[in-house]
Amino acid sequence: AQSVTQLGSHVSVSEGALVLLRCNYSSSVPPYLFWYVQYPNQGLQLLLKYTSAATLVKGINGFEAEFKKSETSFHLTKPSAHMSDAAEYFCAVSDWDREYGNKLVFGAGTILRVKS
Amino acid sequence: DAGVTQSPTHLIKTRGQQVTLRCSPKSGHDTVSWYQQALGQGPQFIFQYYEEEERQRGNFPDRFSGHQFPNYSSELNVNALLLGDSALYLCASSFGVYWQNTDTQYFGPGTRLTVL
Repeated sequence: AQSVTQLGSHVSVSEGALVLLRCNYSSSVPPYLFWYVQYPNQGLQLLLKYTSAATLVKGINGFEAEFKKSETSFHLTKPSAHMSDAAEYFCAVSDWDREYGNKLVFGAGTILRVKS
Repeated sequence: DAGVTQSPTHLIKTRGQQVTLRCSPKSGHDTVSWYQQALGQGPQFIFQYYEEEERQRGNFPDRFSGHQFPNYSSELNVNALLLGDSALYLCASSFGVYWQNTDTQYFGPGTRLTVL
């Protein structure tokens, strides 16, 4: 079964500093991976997705993630944090079955705090 | 183009009652998935509907049931509510789930259910 581990339930950075949110996955097949962001009292918004086309994936709001098969990782980064990036971030892996379809398996989430 | 919509936004029920949550998928999408997000946790897959049938189900009791209508909208029903059912219920829609395992799920804003 597919699974996702997000290291660090809380990450705090200063405005303008590098953002690094960690995600490791476990998958028996080539994985398809996603990062979603959730602002307070809102649903999930897709940041980016990896579907094997390229290992470095660029998303919205200046975020990007690199797929590293050898490390089973899909860490999310942003060169310079902005106050508006404060939110909770979820890494997810696609658990797909040809007969039953696709569902997402999520990590526990990382809350990003941005200090001024 | 309207995204995924859910109603109601908030709901308060008492133990033992029954509740129905509603979801309208993004235009052009034919598959609806439901997730439960308890406070401080990542979303957990409940079930998924395609062609008006439940195609796969997560580890949730039979008290959780659903329906998909010909216009692809969906309902989630929960009977005999427990305190532990208090959570944010998220609906996600997608297209082409069965022949492409890279389909992207787009989430609605969620329904916040509180069970007293």
